[in-house]
Amino acid sequence: GQNIDQPTEMTATEGAIVQINCTYQTSGFNGLFWYQQHAGEAPTFLSYNVLDGLEEKGRFSSFLSRSKGYSYLLLKELQMKDSASYLCAVSGAGNMLTFGGGTRLMVKP
Amino acid sequence: GAVVSQHPSRVICKSGTSVKIECRSLDFQATTMFWYRQFPKQSLMLMATSNEGSKATYEQGVEKDKFLINHASLTLSTLTVTSAHPEDSSFYICSARGPGRGNEQFFGPGTRLTVL
Repeated sequence: GQNIDQPTEMTATEGAIVQINCTYQTSGFNGLFWYQQHAGEAPTFLSYNVLDGLEEKGRFSSFLSRSKGYSYLLLKELQMKDSASYLCAVSGAGNMLTFGGGTRLMVKP
Repeated sequence: GAVVSQHPSRVICKSGTSVKIECRSLDFQATTMFWYRQFPKQSLMLMATSNEGSKATYEQGVEKDKFLINHASLTLSTLTVTSAHPEDSSFYICSARGPGRGNEQFFGPGTRLTVL
């Protein structure tokens, strides 16, 4: 079976750094995706990790440890527009995506 | 590149009617398309997977006779919600995956369905 866990909600301050964790247990692993989703809109791609380590892309970084079934998304220099839901999704058997419940991030001034 | 469109973006219908949602890959050939449903404050739940030219594979708990999926070409998949009821009101999102693009899925903008 597939099980993906991430915190339901987080709050952070504008300009700060926030780390959103994701743990997973899946049958088969072909990579882990992070998506950003604003209310009423479709998810937009943020990052993809298939090997252990840190992938950095501007203000966003994503880390993966396959042995621990763990990933995190790191957001630096938070902006108000970063208030959104962040979805962790694992590509498993057959390259099917299974989504976690999403983490609603609220950025406060 | 890798743009996916959905039509309509928003639809309101009466209970008992059928609604068709189109999903198109605009600049690549989508060998596989996925249909998700998302209820308020919840994550995306996969409803079905469709490969061009073959029958869709439905996830457990999704009624294939109620949610008809057709993937007739490499750029178009349709989802028809038959005899819609208020509990079918949701945000329906399609995604597409094509050859040479790894296992990344490209998402459409979603369709907000409201059944009165």
